[in-house]
Amino acid sequence: GAVVSQHPSWVICKSGTSVKIECRSLDFQATTMFWYRQFPKQSLMLMATSNEGSKATYEQGVEKDKFLINHASLTLSTLTVTSAHPEDSSFYICSAIGGGPSYEQYFGPGTRLTVT
Amino acid sequence: GNSVTQMEGPVTLSEEAFLTINCTYTATGYPSLFWYVQYPGEGLQLLLKATKADDKGSNKGFEATYRKETTSFHLEKGSVQVSDSAVYFCALSDQVDYKLSFGAGTTVTVRA
Repeated sequence: GAVVSQHPSWVICKSGTSVKIECRSLDFQATTMFWYRQFPKQSLMLMATSNEGSKATYEQGVEKDKFLINHASLTLSTLTVTSAHPEDSSFYICSAIGGGPSYEQYFGPGTRLTVT
Repeated sequence: GNSVTQMEGPVTLSEEAFLTINCTYTATGYPSLFWYVQYPGEGLQLLLKATKADDKGSNKGFEATYRKETTSFHLEKGSVQVSDSAVYFCALSDQVDYKLSFGAGTTVTVRA
């Protein structure tokens, strides 16, 4: 149980276009989802916290107009990278809370974004 | 704010060797502590956790003890296998907003 999926697993897009990444909790309702960014051989940096039905809370330094987050239901959150540039190329990972009383975060497999 | 300092790698070991990865933390209050593992090409998986002082988390032969007095949560395994090759992340979460703060990650390679 407590499985989180992400789609797509990898995507290549051209500079200036937008790309949407989906994060789904498959077998539980996720009251809160988190979005992280991971650069090669580096740690995960929290980008934002997403609660169902409300606006996402962004970490300091994260451009909310560039990284649009929507948590439309208890099983789905989306991250849209708008007007992508090569520096946005990264590994994006989501996690979800809600599968049990311990508030453990369950992580998706990640999405590799390459902007050319 | 919360922060995690983790021994940097990479670490290369032979099979059956003893593994220790040091992790210390700074936090207000009483955080929960975690070790996550990321195998090549896969997402993060929770390896073990401890939620209060003196708790010992254990899984797959790995252990870590929550030491409040030294603010540490070192990961140990007595006899590693090739399949333990992965990146290991120490992390903490406060019990207010459940946000995770990660260490830098330690790449471990076990050679046969």
